[in-house]
Amino acid sequence: NAGVTQTPKFQVLKTGQSMTLQCAQDMNHEYMSWYRQDPGMGLRLIHYSVGAGITDQGEVPNGYNVSRSTTEDFPLRLLSAAPSQTSVYFCASSYSIRGAMNTEAFFGQGTRLTVV
Amino acid sequence: SQQGEEDPQALSIQEGENATMNCSYKTSINNLQWYRQNSGRGLVHLILIRSNEREKHSGRLRVTLDTSKKSSSLLITASRAADTASYFCATDSVNYGQNFVFGPGTRLSVLP
Repeated sequence: NAGVTQTPKFQVLKTGQSMTLQCAQDMNHEYMSWYRQDPGMGLRLIHYSVGAGITDQGEVPNGYNVSRSTTEDFPLRLLSAAPSQTSVYFCASSYSIRGAMNTEAFFGQGTRLTVV
Repeated sequence: SQQGEEDPQALSIQEGENATMNCSYKTSINNLQWYRQNSGRGLVHLILIRSNEREKHSGRLRVTLDTSKKSSSLLITASRAADTASYFCATDSVNYGQNFVFGPGTRLSVLP
C-alpha cells in the first residue's frame, strides 16, 4: 500500500496565484486532515473531514478551501496565495474504532510551499 | 492555540544515554499520542496512551500519563544516533471533532 500520498513535494507560487495541493490515501480511512508546519509552531490544523462529503474548519482555516468528494482524496486549495502561507503542508488520515477517532494518524511526506 | 506543549524545546545527549521529553496539555483528553519526525519527512506514530492508562511500553520507548497534572512523558532508553529527530505529542481535541492537536515538539540530537 502507498499510504498517504501528497503532490507536489515542492511548489513556488507568486502572491495572488491559486493552486491545489493533492492528497490521496489508499487505506479506506474515514478521517483526513490538513496541517501546516511552521518553525517553532508544531503542526496546526487547517481543515479536516470525517467522511466523504463532510468537511470542517480547524485552527487556521482562513485562505484555504477543501472538499471531500471521495473517501480517498482530500485536496487543499489556496485561493489567493500570500507570503504568510509559506510553510510545509502535511496531509494525514486516520480511522475510527467504535465510532470514535482515537487512533493513530498516518502522514504524507509533505509539500513545501514558498509564496514570493 | 495549541493543546500540548513539549519540554524541553531541544535536547542533546550522547549515544547510550536515556532521553526524557515532557508534554503538558490544557483540557481533558481521551488519549495522547507521541510522534517522531525525521528532518524533512512526515510524522511517524510511536505510541498511543489512553486516558485510563498510566504507563505504556513499546520497545525502548516508555510513555507515562498523569491526567491529574495534565502531563505525559516519553522516555527513550539506550538512545542511538538514529533516534535524532523531533518528537511531538498530540492530543484529541473536542473542538475539532476529536482530531489531533500537536505541540511545538522537542528536537532531540543523539551524538555518537
